[in-house]
Amino acid sequence: DTGVSQDPRHKITKRGQNVTFRCDPISEHNRLYWYRQTLGQGPEFLTYFQNEAQLEKSRLLSDRFSAERPKGSFSTLEIQRTEQGDSAMYLCASSFSQLSEQFFGPGTRLTVL
Amino acid sequence: QKEVEQNSGPLSVPEGAIASLNCTYSDRGSQSFFWYRQYSGKSPELIMFIYSNGDKEDGRFTAQLNKASQYVSLLIRDSQPSDSATYLCAVPRNNAGNMLTFGGGTRLMVKP
Repeated sequence: DTGVSQDPRHKITKRGQNVTFRCDPISEHNRLYWYRQTLGQGPEFLTYFQNEAQLEKSRLLSDRFSAERPKGSFSTLEIQRTEQGDSAMYLCASSFSQLSEQFFGPGTRLTVL
Repeated sequence: QKEVEQNSGPLSVPEGAIASLNCTYSDRGSQSFFWYRQYSGKSPELIMFIYSNGDKEDGRFTAQLNKASQYVSLLIRDSQPSDSATYLCAVPRNNAGNMLTFGGGTRLMVKP
């Protein structure tokens, strides 16, 4: 499968725990985006990378959130001290260039109890 | 005013009919527009994009763009029950990142 992949697909955690998600973009895509989607809403932008550089972060990304893309390939999104309000689908997307379309992975559904 | 607005629906159409989904946007500088389809519990899937005023057709799908009125629409001809999903309109922000701003989506129900 040459599409965007995400791991895990589902994560259930207790409030206060840390969680980490992984995204593997389409191999030739140098841009990688993280979005968050809650029920009944469209996805909301969190952050994006061009190669290994994190170039923009949304105000939605509190200091409990951190994202990395160390070698310009896969990316991780970590949430520290999870809160119930963090429960959502976390979506990763990648694109070849600034002007090209973004393709989404299957998402990681986070449930914080 | 939200940056990208869609009627949440549900929009219910009978099988074989034309479904018309609308989206308005606030940034007059927007250059490109994307339609994604999202089945329940799944991630968004790109189905159409349009850059120029007018119509763009791809199979049963037609995207229509009117930059002067700041709206973009998606027509689905010969609607099938398998088209039942939420349709998301997305507009890239007019900056180097081109991150997408999504509308809330319109839920389409095609009844057999």
